[in-house]
Amino acid sequence: AQKITQTQPGMFVQEKEAVTLDCTYDTSDPSYGLFWYKQPSSGEMIFLIYQGSYDQQNATEGRYSLNFQKARKSANLVISASQLGDSAMYFCAMRAESGGSARQLTFGSGTQLTVLP
Amino acid sequence: KAGVTQTPRYLIKTRGQQVTLSCSPISGHRSVSWYQQTPGQGLQFLFEYFSETQRNKGNFPGRFSGRQFSNSRSEMNVSTLELGDSALYLCASSFRLDSYEQYFGPGTRLTVT
Repeated sequence: AQKITQTQPGMFVQEKEAVTLDCTYDTSDPSYGLFWYKQPSSGEMIFLIYQGSYDQQNATEGRYSLNFQKARKSANLVISASQLGDSAMYFCAMRAESGGSARQLTFGSGTQLTVLP
Repeated sequence: KAGVTQTPRYLIKTRGQQVTLSCSPISGHRSVSWYQQTPGQGLQFLFEYFSETQRNKGNFPGRFSGRQFSNSRSEMNVSTLELGDSALYLCASSFRLDSYEQYFGPGTRLTVT
């Protein structure tokens, strides 16, 4: 079984500052993927970044980076230079990637990020 | 390239009725997954289809069913609607089963009264 924990229901950040959204996970699968999605008020889930469990380097996508600490089972999202348009709900998710394992995404409860002008 | 489309976007049904939701994946994508999002339970996996076959199913009662057509379009059906079925139903498509990028549609917001 897989479990994702996001302990920050809400976060505030000043525009242009960096913010870290926390995510810890638990799984017995030897190979897995970690994801972050953004969900604006419109409802659509937007894929942000992916980290494979065997990737040596932390994933980066523009202003998004994933701080992956395998031993601590954490996959925090760092957003640099926050913009007003970053205000949204952010979900951490994971998926088993071992052969034969179920491949559905397991989501955390989300963090509502508000960027202040 | 058009994104994932879901129809209808909003739906109001009465308890006991049934409903069918539709999802058209991105052109060329053959895998479609469905998720239910509620304030209480969060995002939960319903099922996944690939090449017209259900490959994976979440922990939902048999009232929830789905299918995929030869053009990869997918439908999900909920029979005997209950108040607790009120939710945002999200569909996601990917090129292959093991693709790490899943593209989500805007969702169908179902309200059961």
